Amino acid sequence: EAQVTQNPRYLITVTGKKLTVTCSQNMNHEYMSWYRQDPGLGLRQIYYSMNVEVTDKGDVPEGYKVSRKEKRNFPLILESPSPNQTSLYFCASSLYGTGGGQPQHFGDGTRLSIL
Amino acid sequence: DAKTTQPNSMESNEEEPVHLPCNHSTISGTDYIHWYRQLPSQGPEYVIHGLTSNVNNRMASLAIAEDRKSSTLILHRATLRDAAVYYCILRELNSGGSNYKLTFGKGTLLTVNP
Repeated sequence: EAQVTQNPRYLITVTGKKLTVTCSQNMNHEYMSWYRQDPGLGLRQIYYSMNVEVTDKGDVPEGYKVSRKEKRNFPLILESPSPNQTSLYFCASSLYGTGGGQPQHFGDGTRLSIL
Repeated sequence: DAKTTQPNSMESNEEEPVHLPCNHSTISGTDYIHWYRQLPSQGPEYVIHGLTSNVNNRMASLAIAEDRKSSTLILHRATLRDAAVYYCILRELNSGGSNYKLTFGKGTLLTVNP
């Protein structure tokens, strides 16, 4: 089954304790992206990757890192999490980053609570 | 960023058609119109997209106005499983043509009554 898999689905942690949210897709997609969803603000893009070893900032990259060493994986790293990073996070992928109307496939989300 | 305007909420009855409107008066010639929906506790799900012509797929139809300043998502027979937040999005490329970004607004909360 074609899917985007995120782990963990839920995490409660404390300020400053490094964490990684993994994202994996099995569709051989080149483009991957991370979003965060907050009440009243909609989904905002954090980082994106056009292909292996190619990443760039989205709209709200502060406090986050990403890497793209393999095509299928795109982990989101919070080196020193803070309470304002408490949010619902979604990973998404599409076949290509450009071109007409590529649909994005989203994971089921990771709910992070930073105390 | 190009913006879209949608009603905050709509109601429908089961097995009746639903027309979800979206205004995008600042759309540019290269912006694709995308619709996604988000069911409770799930990630957004692609529904349909179009550029100029009306589009149909197994989930819905998309009717695009001739001037492209508005569009309508049509669910032909609503079911309880269609209750979700529906997002109308203009898929924009950044200036370098390197980022396929979806800017999600608040969307329309569709309630389907049995």
